[in-house]
Amino acid sequence: GENVEQHPSTLSVQEGDSAVIKCTYSDSASNYFPWYKQELGKRPQLIIDIRSNVGEKKDQRIAVTLNKTAKHFSLHITETQPEDSAVYFCAAFRGSQGNLIFGKGTKLSVKP
Amino acid sequence: KAGVTQTPRYLIKTRGQQVTLSCSPISGHRSVSWYQQTPGQGLQFLFEYFSETQRNKGNFPGRFSGRQFSNSRSEMNVSTLELGDSALYLCASSSQGQKLVDTQYFGPGTRLTVL
Repeated sequence: GENVEQHPSTLSVQEGDSAVIKCTYSDSASNYFPWYKQELGKRPQLIIDIRSNVGEKKDQRIAVTLNKTAKHFSLHITETQPEDSAVYFCAAFRGSQGNLIFGKGTKLSVKP
Repeated sequence: KAGVTQTPRYLIKTRGQQVTLSCSPISGHRSVSWYQQTPGQGLQFLFEYFSETQRNKGNFPGRFSGRQFSNSRSEMNVSTLELGDSALYLCASSSQGQKLVDTQYFGPGTRLTVL
């Protein structure tokens, strides 16, 4: 079945630096890759997503890249701010199965 | 539109009991998925319902079941509770219209503690 590996599990950066989180997936049939941000005690919130026919997508300080050949996708956050501190989850959607498979999450800490 | 809602927000049960959790999707959304979130295992898919039918199922024992009503509201039931069932249970809804894939929006979750 599909497996999604996410690295690193924890990431600490200084305010203003960039943060990069990487995920790999195993099922070549996966066609949709969302990223969720979960603050402590709150629900996961979608921050950006990318579909398999697109290589890169950007939304202000957040960007996601997808390499279908290598089966990996990455989240890039530039000019990090303390409010970016949260757990970030990547996921892959298997169209044939119809469900999201999540990575284990990355706890991002942005130090002022 | 109102977001996804879940009730109750917190539950405390003892081993052997059963529990029912409820999820109301965003108006117009017909797909409801359920996930279990624990510190050790992360977010794990339980099952998905679409138009009152279970369309997909994860690798959980038969003690975990669910259903969906004609208004798209969904319930999940866990029977014979075990300590390991303590977790945050999240539901997510999507429109699942003509597209094969639609964004999933999460509810706030139900925190279940089994003593």
